[in-house]
Amino acid sequence: DIQMTQSPSTLSASAGDRVTITCRASQSISSWLAWYQQKSGKAPKLLIYKASTLENGVPSRFSGSGSGTEFTLTISSLQPDDFATYYCQQYNGYPWTFGQGTKVEIK
Amino acid sequence: EVKLVESGGGLVQPGGSLRLSCAASGFTFSNYAMTWVRQTPGRGLEWVAALTDSGSGTYYTDSVKGRFTIYRDNSRNTVYLQLNSLRGDDTGVYYCARDRYSSTNAVRGWFDPWGQGTLVIVSS
Repeated sequence: DIQMTQSPSTLSASAGDRVTITCRASQSISSWLAWYQQKSGKAPKLLIYKASTLENGVPSRFSGSGSGTEFTLTISSLQPDDFATYYCQQYNGYPWTFGQGTKVEIK
Repeated sequence: EVKLVESGGGLVQPGGSLRLSCAASGFTFSNYAMTWVRQTPGRGLEWVAALTDSGSGTYYTDSVKGRFTIYRDNSRNTVYLQLNSLRGDDTGVYYCARDRYSSTNAVRGWFDPWGQGTLVIVSS
């Protein structure tokens, strides 16, 4: 199975901060990576797919980059609505696997 | 509005069975692959099973092969997950999710939307 490792596990930041989350794959997954946002008690929401393609309706302050084994999700200016947990997910090969999540907390 | 609504979760004893349902609305259900993902405190988000638009192709994570069955009824706009031989580590919230884009006899592997989830607790 392809292991997905996110860092950090928790991130404390203030509104307006630039935030970067890293996701590493245990083997190359090309650009077959998605990012999701999950708020407490809610289902995950798709933010980005194919590593860098922004889903319709997602604010442009979110961006994704990377290929192969290393990927990043960046929030250019953190907004109050962005405090949540973020997950990466590879869909290069079965079983599709998720990272363990990065919780973005209010500093 | 595109919507997925799961049902069928509950408390079940080890070795027991449940059938989860996911009712879809707001889109042409028969054009999309569907997936089940579970979320547990111990393992986080875990992809469980997927099937193609027609239902002819099914895919499972190893830990549920032979115990869980994913299938669909396109006339009822519903996807199901039959859970048999349940174990304690199957406990979690089960989400159904749609492939983001439609495709014929294929699964793409990134998902939107997701349902609100249904809780399965396996305990004696």
